[in-house]
Amino acid sequence: ETGVTQTPRHLVMGMTNKKSLKCEQHLGHNAMYWYKQSAKKPLELMFVYNFKEQTENNSVPSRFSPECPNSSHLFLHLHTLQPEDSALYLCASSHNRGYNEQFFGPGTRLTVL
Amino acid sequence: QKEVEQNSGPLSVPEGAIASLNCTYSDRGSQSFFWYRQYSGKSPELIMFIYSNGDKEDGRFTAQLNKASQYVSLLIRDSQPSDSATYLCAVNTEGFQKLVFGTGTRLLVSP
Repeated sequence: ETGVTQTPRHLVMGMTNKKSLKCEQHLGHNAMYWYKQSAKKPLELMFVYNFKEQTENNSVPSRFSPECPNSSHLFLHLHTLQPEDSALYLCASSHNRGYNEQFFGPGTRLTVL
Repeated sequence: QKEVEQNSGPLSVPEGAIASLNCTYSDRGSQSFFWYRQYSGKSPELIMFIYSNGDKEDGRFTAQLNKASQYVSLLIRDSQPSDSATYLCAVNTEGFQKLVFGTGTRLLVSP
């Protein structure tokens, strides 16, 4: 266990559904990240939050909506997704200083039907 | 486009051998470099990071960085079957919080 938890671990949703992914870190970090990992592709950074403020949006479609109520919790709200959005969604956290070692949660395996 | 390149493998080595994993990067301004291990169906696990030219050792793992040639490598000594995984190289670029990942090298260690 890295001290970063994610729920749910698996999610199947239809294209018209709305769902949310949750991430919580117990490491005392103040930066949190969402990544997408698709087969045969590098990890793609989606969003960065520092002290619960969004500091990076890597041109992510608006059907993905992040929320960070505090430095320990991060959500990714999903609506009207497409089948190509099926992937492993990973949350990570780090200190926002030093060398930026990022620690990942176990991920949510998302399937969009 | 800032890139991180890795050979996808698989790299096959016998148990007890040294596994050598390589990574090149395009951004000369990169400052810190990370190796993650990812088992099939699991999330990436940080195993080492390096920021100065030269070698950094941690147990059976040695990270090597050569900024002039823009490559970073990971050596695994006395490879074990449990080391079989995909190894991801990540580079800190465009500001210290943005990591750019390679596609990973799959390592297979045979008993």
